[in-house]
Amino acid sequence: QKEVEQDPGPLSVPEGAIVSLNCTYSNSAFQYFMWYRQYSRKGPELLMYTYSSGNKEDGRFTAQVDKSSKYISLFIRDSQPSDSATYLCAMSSPSGNTPLVFGKGTRLSVIA
Amino acid sequence: DSGVTQTPKHLITATGQRVTLRCSPRSGDLSVYWYQQSLDQGLQFLIQYYNGEERAKGNILERFSAQQFPDLHSELNLSSLELGDSALYFCASSATVLADQPQHFGDGTRLSIL
Repeated sequence: QKEVEQDPGPLSVPEGAIVSLNCTYSNSAFQYFMWYRQYSRKGPELLMYTYSSGNKEDGRFTAQVDKSSKYISLFIRDSQPSDSATYLCAMSSPSGNTPLVFGKGTRLSVIA
Repeated sequence: DSGVTQTPKHLITATGQRVTLRCSPRSGDLSVYWYQQSLDQGLQFLIQYYNGEERAKGNILERFSAQQFPDLHSELNLSSLELGDSALYFCASSATVLADQPQHFGDGTRLSIL
């Protein structure tokens, strides 16, 4: 089992739809959870950063962490064509020099 | 703009050659990370430096090496290049070595081996 699993998609939705992106993980030591957005030919851009369980909202984006289920989600409300990108989840544990572990990314297309 | 600068943007070379990729971290960040991104493997952590010292190693091949200089910029050296080394190479930086500091990425170097 991979440490972090993420459905690669592609996911295609109409403009204005609510998008749900998810990752599951196996390492219960993970405490820091991130979502990155990566446009074609660009580097990953940090979108959301959460610690432990709970929800965090930033504009049209909401990140949820359910540590009991080892499941994290990113919701995008009122999706726009400019949201078309690959979304990567990433996570790390607080112990030692543990690097970020990334999901493989979900490719999202928002159709106008 | 993340503030992380990587050069060159593109690099085309042949098998057996050696290349150097350069990264300047965000102002004030002491920690630099290198990643390799390929279509089938996703983002793979290679190596981390903090304030000039190596702090963590991932799946970095022995043909690859890196260093961080006193001005905090970092270089990733790839030698005896093989076709399978063709990938995007990203540098990221964070303020400290602690896991609670988010990493900010540059736009990468696209390496093509012919």
